[in-house]
Amino acid sequence: NAGVTQTPKFQVLKTGQSMTLQCAQDMNHEYMSWYRQDPGMGLRLIHYSVGAGITDQGEVPNGYNVSRSTTEDFPLRLLSAAPSQTSVYFCASSPEGQGELDEQYFGPGTRLTVT
Amino acid sequence: AQKITQTQPGMFVQEKEAVTLDCTYDTSDQSYGLFWYKQPSSGEMIFLIYQGSYDEQNATEGRYSLNFQKARKSANLVISASQLGDSAMYFCAMREGRSGGSNYKLTFGKGTLLTVNP
Repeated sequence: NAGVTQTPKFQVLKTGQSMTLQCAQDMNHEYMSWYRQDPGMGLRLIHYSVGAGITDQGEVPNGYNVSRSTTEDFPLRLLSAAPSQTSVYFCASSPEGQGELDEQYFGPGTRLTVT
Repeated sequence: AQKITQTQPGMFVQEKEAVTLDCTYDTSDQSYGLFWYKQPSSGEMIFLIYQGSYDEQNATEGRYSLNFQKARKSANLVISASQLGDSAMYFCAMREGRSGGSNYKLTFGKGTLLTVNP
């Protein structure tokens, strides 16, 4: 299993450009989520999905869109990039049915810079 | 109010000594879960240990143990016999509510940077 994969690893955008951060998992996990990590802020939840066709907003959803057409993929779209979106983005997935330990498996991250 | 508070931005420890990283949490839920993750300089998030709110015993995983004091709402991570490879950022996180559904969301603290000195 590859686990959770994210592409690209690094990206530089100009203000106003759009792009999609890709996230895929091959573990058949129902739950997937996107976090951003800023210096001194820890990780903050952007959007999450509890299954194909179901998405919801997290703590910091503004400026981002998501969709979940398959169990495996959960792309994050930046509609019009802003410097405030410069961050490291992590995708995570988790299976159901683990009981109380719903450990989240994180991807390697995408470092995004918006100039 | 912050849901997860890590009051130590940085900690230093000598190799082979034990170190405690503090974490306090705030929730009104009776059922919740507490997690610790390690983030080395390479950037990946590594799951270390989990404590459920109904667990009566403190969680342990190898050199990691979680000092869970429910009444004080604290979930401190104890690393015994520190190694140079333990130098990393450590995050405490909480899942509120019972496992499943939208309760898979995690709230993270701001982290503690641990440096192990030789």
